[in-house]
Amino acid sequence: EDKVVQSPLSLVVHEGDTVTLNCSYEVTNFRSLLWYKQEKKAPTFLFMLTSSGIEKKSGRLSSILDKKELFSILNITATQTGDSAVYLCAVESNFGNEKLTFGTGTRLTIIP
Amino acid sequence: SAVISQKPSRDICQRGTSLTIQCQVDSQVTMMFWYRQQPGQSLTLIATANQGSEATYESGFVIDKFPISRPNLTFSTLTVSNMSPEDSSIYLCSAVGTRAKNIQYFGAGTRLSVL
Repeated sequence: EDKVVQSPLSLVVHEGDTVTLNCSYEVTNFRSLLWYKQEKKAPTFLFMLTSSGIEKKSGRLSSILDKKELFSILNITATQTGDSAVYLCAVESNFGNEKLTFGTGTRLTIIP
Repeated sequence: SAVISQKPSRDICQRGTSLTIQCQVDSQVTMMFWYRQQPGQSLTLIATANQGSEATYESGFVIDKFPISRPNLTFSTLTVSNMSPEDSSIYLCSAVGTRAKNIQYFGAGTRLSVL
């Protein structure tokens, strides 16, 4: 059974700090790893990672995948209060059905 | 990215009743899914909504409790039947577009409370 573990479960930092969120996985026939941000109800897509060592970047957010060690990190620099959310990591296996297995998420709180 | 409209956004229901949630996508999509997110938990896949045929359910979910329809490539419904307080959750639909390779986009979700 596919498994995704995120750490820490929650994190409280001050505005301007840099944070690193972790995601480790066990999946049969890995295809991709996705990061989502969930503020209220709908998860919004951040990144999709398929290859090791290639950083994906969007503004202050960046992410990288290590397929050998089976983990990914999501970095957020110069955090703002609008970054407060639950960050979800999900993996897809390569069986062609595009199902995602989600981790439990990291709840990030930014204090002004 | 696909725009996914989901309704209702929230509802409060009585035990023993049923609620149908609708999911409409603004473009044709290959796959549609339904998830449940119980309070404080992550997303759990209920089923894959197959166009023109019966949905594919995950372990622990059955058609009698969560009947799903997908009459065309852009629309799906999930019914939560014979509800109990344990069904109080957020229900989310997602879709994979024909152009956004393997990226699932989510609707805004339905927050269901069962009394």
